[in-house]
Amino acid sequence: QQPVQSPQAVILREGEDAVINCSSSKALYSVHWYRQKHGEAPIFLMILLKGGEQKGHDKISASFNEKKQQSSLYLTASQLSYSGTYFCGTEKRRSQGNLIFGKGTKLSVKP
Amino acid sequence: NAGVTQTPKFRVLKTGQSMTLLCAQDMNHEYMYWYRQDPGMGLRLIHYSVGEGTTAKGEVPDGYNVSRLKKQNFLLGLESAAPSQTSVYFCASSYSDLASYEQYFGPGTRLTVT
Repeated sequence: QQPVQSPQAVILREGEDAVINCSSSKALYSVHWYRQKHGEAPIFLMILLKGGEQKGHDKISASFNEKKQQSSLYLTASQLSYSGTYFCGTEKRRSQGNLIFGKGTKLSVKP
Repeated sequence: NAGVTQTPKFRVLKTGQSMTLLCAQDMNHEYMYWYRQDPGMGLRLIHYSVGEGTTAKGEVPDGYNVSRLKKQNFLLGLESAAPSQTSVYFCASSYSDLASYEQYFGPGTRLTVT
């Protein structure tokens, strides 16, 4: 039931792009993305609902492919501040935010 | 606004001891959650609440109990701590509106059980 995130870790230089994937074997209702810096609490990035909606937030955007049950997070022209661990959380049906999180993707952006 | 606060920040327990973790939020959120985070495991939901006086089990509820007597507070109890409960515990809260399921997390409590 736990979504699978790939890659597990990625190292970038400032200005490079990255894609993080979140896949489920079950049909999904929504995908939620969070970022967590070391020693801190997770911070919300965005929610994608069933329907293939794509969202953007500055240079971070995401898509949700309902047919593939996969969401992708796109980080464009990465900045040092993008470093952290990215988690996707999924719902199979509308629930009260009862999310199943993936194990995370650790992103390191170097100068 | 303080957002979501957790008490205590750190705690060391001996096996078999009990304790209560307190979570408080000042955003008038209906939903509240307790997660545990272990290295390489991501966040796992322990229990959650959709309103005052209501609680429900999450993914890993065994060994924990919760109570939500007031809307702004959500308590997590360990009746008889075990070393397997060594973890970082996060509390979170959110609105019930579907378009606003953003969860706001507290700073976490690092618990060690020896």
